[in-house]
Amino acid sequence: DAGVIQSPRHEVTEMGQEVTLRCKPISGHDYLFWYRQTMMRGLELLIYFNNNVPIDDSGMPEDRFSAKMPNASFSTLKIQPSEPRDSAVYFCASSFPGRAIDEQFFGPGTRLTVL
Amino acid sequence: GEDVEQSLFLSVREGDSSVINCTYTDSSSTYLYWYKQEPGAGLQLLTYIFSNMDMKQDQRLTVLLNKKDKHLSLRIADTQTGDSAIYFCAESRTGGSYIPTFGRGTSLIVHP
Repeated sequence: DAGVIQSPRHEVTEMGQEVTLRCKPISGHDYLFWYRQTMMRGLELLIYFNNNVPIDDSGMPEDRFSAKMPNASFSTLKIQPSEPRDSAVYFCASSFPGRAIDEQFFGPGTRLTVL
Repeated sequence: GEDVEQSLFLSVREGDSSVINCTYTDSSSTYLYWYKQEPGAGLQLLTYIFSNMDMKQDQRLTVLLNKKDKHLSLRIADTQTGDSAIYFCAESRTGGSYIPTFGRGTSLIVHP
């Protein structure tokens, strides 16, 4: 398997623009997570899905953020409108609950810069 | 306060041992993990320990768990420049059904 795939790897946009981040989890993994990493706040869990259903979105900072998982192999995180404080690295991760431990497999991340 | 706490930075000389510390608050934690994040990459599981263990050794890595004090440590022997990374401590309650909680990560800087 190629691992968790994220696109784009880098995104530079201007304040007010819509940003869409994409993720393809590892095939067979039932859980999908979106994280945000910044120097100030470290690694924050934004939302996670189980079997394509959002389970906990309490980490989503504002209504400007939304996430969807239309099928088992694809998820998006959308920011509309984007603001400079959204600049961060966004990670997608997936896991398989059948394993003995809760190992999460992370993608390479999308580095978002909002000017 | 945070559920999992770590110091933010650690600087060591190449060849020395590194010890990264972590404290957690959930006494029901079943699994404790160390993840490694290399520059420009995502996190990757490095090692883990079950809560009924005190120690786990894997080549240059030694994990120590003090359940009474809720303290976890990762020791890297003979630290190399390739060990420079961010190390995250994480805990979870049960296998497969409880979402891990991550610390903020400790940046390990190895200098010659």
